[in-house]
Amino acid sequence: DQQVKQNSPSLSVQEGRISILNCDYTNSMFDYFLWYKKYPAEGPTFLISISSIKDKNEDGRFTVFLNKSAKHLSLHIVPSQPGDSAVYFCAAHARNTPLVFGKGTRLSVIA
Amino acid sequence: DTGVSQNPRHKITKRGQNVTFRCDPISEHNRLYWYRQTLGQGPEFLTYFQNEAQLEKSRLLSDRFSAERPKGSFSTLEIQRTEQGDSAMYLCASTLGTAGANVLTFGAGSRLTVL
Repeated sequence: DQQVKQNSPSLSVQEGRISILNCDYTNSMFDYFLWYKKYPAEGPTFLISISSIKDKNEDGRFTVFLNKSAKHLSLHIVPSQPGDSAVYFCAAHARNTPLVFGKGTRLSVIA
Repeated sequence: DTGVSQNPRHKITKRGQNVTFRCDPISEHNRLYWYRQTLGQGPEFLTYFQNEAQLEKSRLLSDRFSAERPKGSFSTLEIQRTEQGDSAMYLCASTLGTAGANVLTFGAGSRLTVL
């Protein structure tokens, strides 16, 4: 039973354009949603988060949108840069419960 | 602060052998987590500690797996009688455990290959 789903295994975007990574969830008890980025041979690194009481959070080139009614969130990266090429994981948790991760989306930003 | 440190980075072992991984979290972090990641999957929760107390264990953590955090600082994850299905990246993460989003800081992981 996968509670966090990332249905696109990979995404390819040209440098300078917008990257949109999508995530769906099934557990309506989730309070917080997070995005992590992972480079090869490194652990995941935290990127941005959003609380369930908000619908948007922005940090520089990264914006996360949350649509609670659709149980859907997305990460927008604009403009995309070659250094953004990595695997992006969507994760979520309810209060005092462990983070649950999706399977990840591999983003390739082409120069 | 050197972040979350995991050792060894890579372990190759034969089926049936025991292996132990060590995690040194960020010093002021009171919560420590173990996750497992296999190819094509996201990290899957195994267990976590608040200080030295093990508060939750996943059903993925069979009785061949044991984790400890004896003094609330470093942690060890031991796998007894390893099986080929145990081959995975074992990730350790730590956090301060404050209110709000549970932002985990991960180590680089310990990759286990069981032959």
